Amino acid sequence: GQQVMQIPQYQHVQEGEDFTTYCNSSTTLSNIQWYKQRPGGHPVFLIQLVKSGEVKKQKRLTFQFGEAKKNSSLHITATQTTDVGTYFCAGNTGTASKLTFGTGTRLQVTL
Amino acid sequence: DSGVTQTPKHLITATGQRVTLRCSPRSGDLSVYWYQQSLDQGLQFLIQYYNGEERAKGNILERFSAQQFPDLHSELNLSSLELGDSALYFCASSVEGQGAHEQYFGPGTRLTVT
Repeated sequence: GQQVMQIPQYQHVQEGEDFTTYCNSSTTLSNIQWYKQRPGGHPVFLIQLVKSGEVKKQKRLTFQFGEAKKNSSLHITATQTTDVGTYFCAGNTGTASKLTFGTGTRLQVTL
Repeated sequence: DSGVTQTPKHLITATGQRVTLRCSPRSGDLSVYWYQQSLDQGLQFLIQYYNGEERAKGNILERFSAQQFPDLHSELNLSSLELGDSALYFCASSVEGQGAHEQYFGPGTRLTVT
């Protein structure tokens, strides 16, 4: 079945450093979404990418969708302690609304 | 607050027992999704309902079943519980049943099987 892997599994950075998580799917995706889950919380939608090669920015967050629509990345510039949490990518295929979630990257930020 | 409610928040039960988890989607959302999150498995999709009908199935065990009622709330039934079923169970909702749409997650139900 479809698998979505994320690397790294865990990253610890100092506040102000940059952070990137990479998402790789075993199959071509129609769309990719990114979610953030704070410790003890539930996943919260961040963004959806639809087009091949698409790049979207939200303040310090930059999201990319690969040309082949099989990979994606999330880059955070100048991390803050409020960025702490686990970041998940999630993709769908065809017209299905069912999402396959990536394995997640846990980000820890210290002062 | 996502607008999705789940009850109960915590549930502790013994092996072999049966439990029911309840979810009310956001007002206006017709699709409900159930996920299982355990420490070593990430977020696993279980099942999706759209306007009362089953739309998609994931790796849901035969001991688990779900339904969506006419008022759109959904219930996830877990039976013959095993220790390995201990996990956080999330419900999410979205407006549509086709294509990828933002999913709104509830706060989850933490199930502990002893």
